[in-house]
Amino acid sequence: SQKIEQNSEALNIQEGKTATLTCNYTNYSPAYLQWYRQDPGRGPVFLLLIRENEKEKRKERLKVTFDTTLKQSLFHITASQPADSATYLCAPDTGRRALTFGSGTRLQVQP
Amino acid sequence: DTGVSQNPRHKITKRGQNVTFRCDPISEHNRLYWYRQTLGQGPEFLTYFQNEAQLEKSRLLSDRFSAERPKGSFSTLEIQRTEQGDSAMYLCASSLEAGSGSPLHFGNGTRLTVT
Repeated sequence: SQKIEQNSEALNIQEGKTATLTCNYTNYSPAYLQWYRQDPGRGPVFLLLIRENEKEKRKERLKVTFDTTLKQSLFHITASQPADSATYLCAPDTGRRALTFGSGTRLQVQP
Repeated sequence: DTGVSQNPRHKITKRGQNVTFRCDPISEHNRLYWYRQTLGQGPEFLTYFQNEAQLEKSRLLSDRFSAERPKGSFSTLEIQRTEQGDSAMYLCASSLEAGSGSPLHFGNGTRLTVT
């Protein structure tokens, strides 16, 4: 069966460091992979989408990589700030079905 | 762009009662999705519409759940004979029908508590 794995343990880092979050998937052949941010009590907010033929995508302090051989995406936040503290969700997108989300990784950036 | 609007924000009901939630998507979006989320989990897909047609429904979705999208505008999600296990955040999202890769725009959800 299809499975999406994100680190269930919270990631705690110091302000100014780079946060790296991992998304692994099995039994999927996604054409895209989407990343979302979710704050407590709010709906997820779309951040970035990367296509299967793109190795890397950047947006301001965010960087996403997509390795279809390893079946893995990495999400990086450089120069992290306390305001980046949130849960980050990945969603492999096959293009044929509705999006399925991972359980998310909670990031806590300490000042 | 007023975003995706969901009402009510919170609903407390007794077990066995029926509840109905409403979602108003972004006006030019053709696709509308319902998800359910419990604490510590990601959103779990329930069903989605393209315009007024319900195109996909999760096989995990109980027969007590029904969704409609009359005229392809707002949508309602009804849960009949609620159970305590139905307590969750119910999220609605919409997207443009631009093929795969369209980002979802979520509302802030309706939190259901079944006592």
